[in-house]
Amino acid sequence: AQKITQTQPGMFVQEKEAVTLDCTYDTSDPSYGLFWYKQPSSGEMIFLIYQGSYDQQNATEGRYSLNFQKARKSANLVISASQLGDSAMYFCAMRDWDYKLSFGAGTTVTVRA
Amino acid sequence: NAGVTQTPKFQVLKTGQSMTLQCAQDMNHNSMYWYRQDPGMGLRLIYYSASEGTTDKGEVPNGYNVSRLNKREFSLRLESAAPSQTSVYFCASSDKTGTNQPQHFGDGTRLSIL
Repeated sequence: AQKITQTQPGMFVQEKEAVTLDCTYDTSDPSYGLFWYKQPSSGEMIFLIYQGSYDQQNATEGRYSLNFQKARKSANLVISASQLGDSAMYFCAMRDWDYKLSFGAGTTVTVRA
Repeated sequence: NAGVTQTPKFQVLKTGQSMTLQCAQDMNHNSMYWYRQDPGMGLRLIYYSASEGTTDKGEVPNGYNVSRLNKREFSLRLESAAPSQTSVYFCASSDKTGTNQPQHFGDGTRLSIL
C-alpha cells in the first residue's frame, strides 16, 4: 500500500515567492515522523525538516515550514521567499513503527528569475 | 565531517557480472539502509540493518544481498547483475532511537548494467 503520496510532479515558482508542496500519508500507527528531503541536480539527498505526530506546533527551519494537518493526514512543505538554489526535487517521507522510511515519488520545483 | 561515504560513485557492468557497493558512516549510527532510486518512483528500500549483526529485507530485495560488516560498514552485493538493476543506489544511516531521527544519505552510486 502506498504510504506517501505527492500529487504534484512538477511546479514552477517565481523567485522570492512562496511555494507549497503537497504530501499526504497513510498509517494506522499513532507514533510516526514525517520528513522532507531536497535532492538538487547534483544528486545528493539533503534533510530539510521533521514533524513528529505528537508535535503540537508546525515545524519550521529557516525558510522551510511544514503545514501539518493530522486529521487530514497531510504534511505540506512551504518554502518561503524562493531562491534560484531551491530548484530541486523534493521528497516527502514517513517513518513509523518499524523505523524504515517510505518515500513519495517527489515533486520537481523550478524557480524562475 | 565525512558522514556517509559510498564507493564507487559510478560503475558500468555487463549483464551477469557481480559487484559490491560499499558504504561507511562515521556518525556512530546504529541503523543503516540501502535504497535504489529509479526515475519517477522515489526511493525504494532494498535492505536495512537495524543494528550491528542484523539485516532485513526491504521493499525490493530480489537480486541483492547485504553484509553488515561492523557498526560502520554496510555493503550491498549484486551477484548476477541484470539491466533492471540499472539505478542510482543510496546508502543511509540513522540513530534508531525513536521515529524522529532523520536518515543521513551518501552521495549515491550510479550503476548501469549493459
